[in-house]
Amino acid sequence: GDSVTQMEGPVTLSEEAFLTINCTYTATGYPSLFWYVQYPGEGLQLLLKATKADDKGSNKGFEATYRKETTSFHLEKGSVQVSDSAVYFCALTPRLGANSKLTFGKGITLSVRP
Amino acid sequence: EPEVTQTPSHQVTQMGQEVILRCVPISNHLYFYWYRQILGQKVEFLVSFYNNEISEKSEIFDDQFSVERPDGSNFTLKIRSTKLEDSAMYFCASRYTMNTEAFFGQGTRLTVV
Repeated sequence: GDSVTQMEGPVTLSEEAFLTINCTYTATGYPSLFWYVQYPGEGLQLLLKATKADDKGSNKGFEATYRKETTSFHLEKGSVQVSDSAVYFCALTPRLGANSKLTFGKGITLSVRP
Repeated sequence: EPEVTQTPSHQVTQMGQEVILRCVPISNHLYFYWYRQILGQKVEFLVSFYNNEISEKSEIFDDQFSVERPDGSNFTLKIRSTKLEDSAMYFCASRYTMNTEAFFGQGTRLTVV
């Protein structure tokens, strides 16, 4: 079945550091890929998405490129801020439509030090 | 901004007891979901609900689980006889159509003792 694998955490960075969070997936067909973020005390929020190969999703300075050849969707940010401290989840759906349940990775906690 | 609301934020229950987790989806949304995350593990799909019936459920969603939309606004998850392994964070989500973003609630942490 479909699965999502995220790098092990937690990750601790200093402010303005470069961030990469790895995500790889296994799925049949052409899934849509997502990054969700959960800030302390809040629900999961969609951070960005990509629906086809080579698409780049971006939001709030974060980017991720849908790489079908490596089945990856790594999340990057050039300069993190303390306010980026949160849990980040990579996820996929088999395709948009068709119920579109999400398959998630384990999530990774990012802490950014001032 | 509209949001999905879950109550309670934390529930402690004794093994064997029934629990009901409550969710208020965004008012014009049509598709509803429950997910859970056992501590340190992945967020797992439990069930999806559309047009007043279950549209898909996972292997986790056995006879001990049920969902209901009793009054057109609430969406509930009932666990009839809780087990220790039901301890997890439970997330509710809703979306307007199958092709639009899913909005999640802040979760209910269920602890079974």
